[in-house]
Amino acid sequence: NAGVTQTPKFQVLKTGQSMTLQCAQDMNHNSMYWYRQDPGMGLRLIYYSASEGTTDKGEVPNGYNVSRLNKREFSLRLESAAPSQTSVYFCASSERPRGGDTEAFFGQGTRLTVV
Amino acid sequence: LAKTTQPISMDSYEGQEVNITCSHNNIATNDYITWYQQFPSQGPRFIIQGYKTKVTNEVASLFIPADRKSSTLSLPRVSLSDTAVYYCLAKDSNYQLIWGAGTKLIIKP
Repeated sequence: NAGVTQTPKFQVLKTGQSMTLQCAQDMNHNSMYWYRQDPGMGLRLIYYSASEGTTDKGEVPNGYNVSRLNKREFSLRLESAAPSQTSVYFCASSERPRGGDTEAFFGQGTRLTVV
Repeated sequence: LAKTTQPISMDSYEGQEVNITCSHNNIATNDYITWYQQFPSQGPRFIIQGYKTKVTNEVASLFIPADRKSSTLSLPRVSLSDTAVYYCLAKDSNYQLIWGAGTKLIIKP
């Protein structure tokens, strides 16, 4: 039972490079989320997708783009990486939108360093 | 502006009951308050959620007073494996997710 799978687990980028973080869930959930986690700041929502075909900005969307490829997959793209984007990125999914009223399942995270 | 505030860290000993309180201001009046647990190098894991009064499951209890300005996560008889960071989560009046900054709980033998 895989749950939420993120790739890659670790990545080092040079400033200005681009990359896409992949996320897939096998629980048939409608909603998916991308968070970043920085020391002492908890989790901050970057983008979310309430259902297939829709995406919305969260608290810190600048510098990122997302694609809800299908119901299973939700990718996060950094077009031109900056050192301020060094963080741990988590993908999550839940059955209903904005999963505060239901259990959200998180991936293992991607540790990204931008040098 | 909605905000959730938690203690940065707490210590306790094996076998004790631990209570972690989160203060929430200006949160949605009709939505759930949720708590998550996170171990190093892992994603957060759902523990419990509630709307009001008391909720209990196999791992924790959650107490929410009538004014919903705070919530208390109660972990009975903790063990070393309960050492983790605990987050509270609520929503503001626009149903935006508001995460606390997390409480680092250290359990000592």
